[in-house]
Amino acid sequence: DGGITQSPKYLFRKEGQNVTLSCEQNLNHDAMYWYRQDPGQGLRLIYYSQIVNDFQKGDIAEGYSVSREKKESFPLTVTSAQKNPTAFYLCASSTLDEKLFFGSGTQLSVL
Amino acid sequence: GQSLEQPSEVTAVEGAIVQINCTYQTSGFYGLSWYQQHDGGAPTFLSYNALDGLEETGRFSSFLSRSDSYGYLLLQELQMKDSASYFCAAAPDSNYQLIWGAGTKLIIKP
Repeated sequence: DGGITQSPKYLFRKEGQNVTLSCEQNLNHDAMYWYRQDPGQGLRLIYYSQIVNDFQKGDIAEGYSVSREKKESFPLTVTSAQKNPTAFYLCASSTLDEKLFFGSGTQLSVL
Repeated sequence: GQSLEQPSEVTAVEGAIVQINCTYQTSGFYGLSWYQQHDGGAPTFLSYNALDGLEETGRFSSFLSRSDSYGYLLLQELQMKDSASYFCAAAPDSNYQLIWGAGTKLIIKP
């Protein structure tokens, strides 16, 4: 079955710690995205990548970093510079058209 | 700035019809998408309108008026499983980096 796998489902971060959220897709999609969702709000774009070894900042990239070394993988690191990291993080992919496919999300909380 | 406005909450009765509106203000416009998200889950794609008019997919339909910067999602024969949040999202350019509305929570009563 094709799809997007995010892990872990729940993640806890200590102050000053960097944490990495995993996102893997086997849909052969070129484009991948990371969104942040806060309660009662829409999705906000953190980073996106349209091709391997290339990525662009979204609206709220500060305190986050990504890599795209393989077409299938687009991990997101939440750095210690992100002072308010508690949120639901969603990874998505698409074939550069209008339809996004989402992973099941990672809930990040601060200890 | 760029924004999409939709009602925060809509309540309807099982078996009824409900319409969720979305108005947008974006620098450019390529199309309007709708996504459904159940609590704690991932958004799933429902529909996309690039041209004016109505698109029908089973019990769900979506409408777009580019001249009015307005669209809506119409859900017919409501079922309890339709209880979810519904998001409209606009593509302001050909890269389809979507701008999202804050979502409409649909509450369905028996």
